[in-house]
Amino acid sequence: AQTVTQSQPEMSVQEAETVTLSCTYDTSESDYYLFWYKQPPSRQMILVIRQEAYKQQNATENRFSVNFQKAAKSFSLKISDSQLGDAAMYFCAYRGYNTDKLIFGTGTRLQVFP
Amino acid sequence: GAVVSQHPSWVICKSGTSVKIECRSLDFQATTMFWYRQFPKQSLMLMATSNEGSKATYEQGVEKDKFLINHASLTLSTLTVTSAHPEDSSFYICSASVSGGPYEQYFGPGTRLTVT
Repeated sequence: AQTVTQSQPEMSVQEAETVTLSCTYDTSESDYYLFWYKQPPSRQMILVIRQEAYKQQNATENRFSVNFQKAAKSFSLKISDSQLGDAAMYFCAYRGYNTDKLIFGTGTRLQVFP
Repeated sequence: GAVVSQHPSWVICKSGTSVKIECRSLDFQATTMFWYRQFPKQSLMLMATSNEGSKATYEQGVEKDKFLINHASLTLSTLTVTSAHPEDSSFYICSASVSGGPYEQYFGPGTRLTVT
């Protein structure tokens, strides 16, 4: 069975600085999708970024980028120029190629200090 | 972008009663809808997956008779918590997706259920 591990329960960063959130996963599949979701205090889940496993190029979305290491089964999220609005829970998620189900990690709470 | 709504956003019910939560995809047709439960400061736990017109598939350990899911159309799924008990108090989140491909799940804003 696939698993997703987020080893950092909490992280903090100074405004305008860069922070990296870690995520590792375990799977025997070769094709799959990886996601980072943000859950602010409102608890609305928001997709931050998506990576298809067959793509070697790391996904980027404005200030958010990932470091996808398929062989190491690692999928970290880098937030550049952190803003106060980035403070939230961040969940890493895995989805197999032939399924719609998401497997979530335990989450990392990010605090942003002015 | 794709929008999913949930109603109500917060509900309080008495122990022993039933409560229904609606999940609607507002601007797309969702072939699959998912129901999650989230305890404070924890991750999302998938309860069940439903496809329009067919029975829901429940995750191991989720009581089918307690958590009734109906996916009557491509835009509406409902979760009914039957004979609610205080331990059913939680935050319930639905999501919707179009099956296949790299399509993401679009999440509703969640429903806070408090059973007194």
